[in-house]
Amino acid sequence: GNSVTQMEGPVTLSEEAFLTINCTYTATGYPSLFWYVQYPGEGLQLLLKATKADDKGSNKGFEATYRKETTSFHLEKGSVQVSDSAVYFCALTNAGGTSYGKLTFGQGTILTVHP
Amino acid sequence: DGGITQSPKYLFRKEGQNVTLSCEQNLNHDAMYWYRQDPGQGLRLIYYSQIVNDFQKGDIAEGYSVSREKKESFPLTVTSAQKNPTAFYLCASRTGTITDTQYFGPGTRLTVL
Repeated sequence: GNSVTQMEGPVTLSEEAFLTINCTYTATGYPSLFWYVQYPGEGLQLLLKATKADDKGSNKGFEATYRKETTSFHLEKGSVQVSDSAVYFCALTNAGGTSYGKLTFGQGTILTVHP
Repeated sequence: DGGITQSPKYLFRKEGQNVTLSCEQNLNHDAMYWYRQDPGQGLRLIYYSQIVNDFQKGDIAEGYSVSREKKESFPLTVTSAQKNPTAFYLCASRTGTITDTQYFGPGTRLTVL
């Protein structure tokens, strides 16, 4: 079955530091990959996505590249802000079997950015 | 504005009670989903529905029930058979193909007293 593994958290950074959150996956076929962000007490918001190998998703300074050879989709940002403090989820979905588009999530990584 | 609404935001349940969580969307999406989130964990699928009057069990359906009588509505009932219902519940919807983006509501936090 599908699975997603995210780096252990929490991650604590100073403002303007470089961010990397690792994500690796196991899936059959050609999954679509997503990063979602969750602010305290809220639902999930789509941050970026990629649907095929070598695609780069980007949004609000965040980037992630779909690497099929390493089954990875690492999230990066060159300079984080305090407002980026949130929980980040890596997720995938694929068209195989009877999944009906079910999202498989990693456990989430808590990011805290200090001024 | 198009979007997904969930109500109530907070819900308290006594032992042995059934409670129903509301999910409404005005995005004209066909597919809708219910996920459960526990602290420090990712989301797990409870139920999903591809079209009106059709729904399927997800990975953790025991103790839950749903209905899909209208395209825009997908209520979730947490029954007394659910032994550990305290969690954050998120509804999502999707259009297009099954690998397209799912959009989430703001969630309902259910606490058992």
